[in-house]
Amino acid sequence: AQSVTQPDIHITVSEGASLELRCNYSYGATPYLFWYVQSPGQGLQLLLKYFSGDTLVQGIKGFEAEFKRSQSSFNLRKPSVHWSDAAEYFCAVGATGGYNKLIFGAGTRLAVHP
Amino acid sequence: GAGVSQSPSNKVTEKGKDVELRCDPISGHTALYWYRQSLGQGLEFLIYFQGNSAPDKSGLPSDRFSAERTGGSVSTLTIQRTQQEDSAVYLCASSLDGQGALGYTFGSGTRLTVV
Repeated sequence: AQSVTQPDIHITVSEGASLELRCNYSYGATPYLFWYVQSPGQGLQLLLKYFSGDTLVQGIKGFEAEFKRSQSSFNLRKPSVHWSDAAEYFCAVGATGGYNKLIFGAGTRLAVHP
Repeated sequence: GAGVSQSPSNKVTEKGKDVELRCDPISGHTALYWYRQSLGQGLEFLIYFQGNSAPDKSGLPSDRFSAERTGGSVSTLTIQRTQQEDSAVYLCASSLDGQGALGYTFGSGTRLTVV
């Protein structure tokens, strides 16, 4: 069965610092991988997704993620964090082929210090 | 509409009462999903509708939970005889294709509080 692990429940960074949020997945084949962001009181917004091809994926708001098959990871990165990036971030995995329900990780809450 | 619309945004109900939560997906989206987000938890899959196919109900936690989707559009999630552990944010999402490969568009959710 598919599963997603986000090892860091809460991360705090200073504004302008770089960021990496970790995501590990379990799936027997090449998965679809997603990162979503949830700002307080908001729904989830898609940041980026990976299906195939280039393992470095660019998303919105300056985020990128790298798919590493050997490590079963899909870590989210941003070179310079802005205060407005404070939110909760969810990694999700979906099965390729057929219909597809996404399995989400427990989320990482990001706090940004000025 | 332009986005996924959920109503009500907040619902407080007494233990034992039934509640109905509504989701209006993006027009033309064939797939509709319900998830539950409990405090400090990730998103828990509840149910999935795709076109006219039988829904995937594998995530419904008990027979108190049911959902329907009328005319391939609006969906209603019903919780009967609510319990305090049902308190959570219920999120609806829709996607253009049944594989979810294009990503979901989520609504803002319904925050359910059972007192």
